[in-house]
Amino acid sequence: SYELTQPPSVSVSPGQTARITCSADALPMQYAYWYQQKSGQAPVLVVYKDSERPSGIPERFSGSNSGTTVTLTISGVQAEDEADYYCQSADSSGTYRVFGGGTKLTVL
Amino acid sequence: EVQLVESGGGLVQPGGSLRLSCAASGFTFRSFAMSWFRQAPGKGLEWVSIISGSGGTTYYADAVKGRFTISRDNSKNILYLQMNSLRADDTAVYYCAKGDVVVVVAANWFDTWGQGTLVTVSS
Repeated sequence: SYELTQPPSVSVSPGQTARITCSADALPMQYAYWYQQKSGQAPVLVVYKDSERPSGIPERFSGSNSGTTVTLTISGVQAEDEADYYCQSADSSGTYRVFGGGTKLTVL
Repeated sequence: EVQLVESGGGLVQPGGSLRLSCAASGFTFRSFAMSWFRQAPGKGLEWVSIISGSGGTTYYADAVKGRFTISRDNSKNILYLQMNSLRADDTAVYYCAKGDVVVVVAANWFDTWGQGTLVTVSS
């Protein structure tokens, strides 16, 4: 298995762009998935396969992969986007799944 | 509507056992892999186990291997997690989640999660 590293916190003002990174300590990184978890609630999938957006997720959520780092971008951040965000990936065989430590997004 | 409802959590002493259930509705249960995750109080998400749609393939996190067993009853649309030899560090909210396809592969994602059930291991 390997580790995923996220910044503990990111802060932005409403309407600005938030970028949350997730770095792997081993190559190549498999697909990344992003989950949003609001306080006291279950996680919600917001991006799958690096950059795909599930139905019902606003277009302001997008993802990208630069090889060793994946990024969740939230454009035009809204107050309702304040939450913890977790990246998740797996080893190449699908035997293990791993999460990053999570990033708390604060909307100032 | 796709829905997952966990049950079976509670307070258990160290060394004890507990079986969690996850009742699924709104989709063809046997056609999707399912997984268990957990979140210790104030901590991040942790993957626990995954099972294929047929139940023939299962994988576990190292932290629970040999102590936990995942299973499913496709006739009843229920996912289970049998937890034995429980330790204090197993204390967490346990979530079940629906995978995207029937098989277990690296590219699985989890598009629907239950609300979780709290397991507390303490004397």
